[in-house]
Amino acid sequence: GAVVSQHPSRVICKSGTSVKIECRSLDFQATTMFWYRQFPKKSLMLMATSNEGSKATYEQGVEKDKFLINHASLTLSTLTVTSAHPEDSSFYICSAIWRTNEKLFFGSGTQLSVL
Amino acid sequence: GDSVTQMEGPVTLSEEAFLTINCTYTATGYPSLFWYVQYPGEGLQLLLKATKADDKGSNKGFEATYRKETTSFHLEKGSVQVSDSAVYFCALSDQYTGNQFYFGTGTSLTVIP
Repeated sequence: GAVVSQHPSRVICKSGTSVKIECRSLDFQATTMFWYRQFPKKSLMLMATSNEGSKATYEQGVEKDKFLINHASLTLSTLTVTSAHPEDSSFYICSAIWRTNEKLFFGSGTQLSVL
Repeated sequence: GDSVTQMEGPVTLSEEAFLTINCTYTATGYPSLFWYVQYPGEGLQLLLKATKADDKGSNKGFEATYRKETTSFHLEKGSVQVSDSAVYFCALSDQYTGNQFYFGTGTSLTVIP
């Protein structure tokens, strides 16, 4: 079946540094990828929708300049957390659509800890 | 706008108990409905789905029926196992909103022996 690979699975960084998270669809072309943030009480929040070749669409309240999303190809989307702070510590999950309104495939998530 | 409302957790059940996790939705068009599961330390996995009214999705003993009249998609399992302990997310995808997925807040289930 379709696989989405997310890397790294865990990252620890110092406050003020930037962190890049990659999301790849390994065996299918994903025209749309989504980035979610999971909060400690397990709620999942959609951060942005990433379409290949165009600017990402951010949800209300999500800082575009802080969470940079690039969807350069049909198999790769990246999320860069710029100038990370401790409050950015969270579990970030990407997902990709394979065929319209069919399955949504998820990456394994990235646990970001900012010290 | 579209949204999903899911029952608050956490839920703790004894093995072989009956499980129901409620989920209701609001949608502009005619969405597809999904249940996703997140096992400890893992990413989300699709558990089951239904694409139109009265459809029943089923997998691994779990079932959910797409009820348009009550805008609900409740997850049920007749006899839970310890291995079912996980977080369950109800979600919808609506073609009228560009196939964007909307998730409920998740319900944590713990099954004790």
